[in-house]
Amino acid sequence: QVQLQESGPGLVKPSQTLPLTCTVSGGSISSGSYYWSWIRQPAGKGLEWIGRLYTSGSTNYNPSLKSRVTISLDTSKNQFSLQLSSVTAADTAVYYCAREGYYRDSSGYFRYYFDYWGQGILVTVSS
Amino acid sequence: DIQMTQSPSSLSASVGDRVTITCRASQNIINYLNWYQQKPRKAPTLLIYAASRLHAGVPSRFSGSGSGTGFTLTISSLQPEDFATYFCQQTYSTPPITFGGGTKVEIK
Repeated sequence: QVQLQESGPGLVKPSQTLPLTCTVSGGSISSGSYYWSWIRQPAGKGLEWIGRLYTSGSTNYNPSLKSRVTISLDTSKNQFSLQLSSVTAADTAVYYCAREGYYRDSSGYFRYYFDYWGQGILVTVSS
Repeated sequence: DIQMTQSPSSLSASVGDRVTITCRASQNIINYLNWYQQKPRKAPTLLIYAASRLHAGVPSRFSGSGSGTGFTLTISSLQPEDFATYFCQQTYSTPPITFGGGTKVEIK
């Protein structure tokens, strides 16, 4: 059973960088055709996808955040990390890490979906 | 970016009711559409993937349908544990992955 756990500071000052880590257990982060994503949710609002990392280390980012986001992989610790720079109060949210599992349809295309999630970590941006 | 629009944003229903939630995509996403359930202070959980395929362990009262730009999630007989918020998500054109705004199902 795959499990994900977010860790990092609960409070970050405006203009600083928000660093979060997701530790994966129950499976190797570098095996399979999985993506590993960060998603956030401001209080009482919807879900916003931040970006993801493939098992090879390649990344995709949400264009709305791309200039401030870095997602990286540490296979030795079975972890992946998020760095969000120049934060403001608008970045206050619960941050989730999640795995994108998949199934291959009859045409051989991969159909991805978020099948495992961390419990989430609340990060507040405030001085 | 593909915009996902859910309706209604909230609804009130009783145990045993049939509930239908709609999700519309701003362009054709074929059936690259997933549904999630989220309970307060919890992470979302996967219900349906590829528009109509039931994720392992999800009760059969949940079903999904649709293709192109219009999709529905149906709960055939609402149970007490189904009161939650539901989100749709498209994976046809990424990045970015995009979600609908959510539908909150409340007790009548």
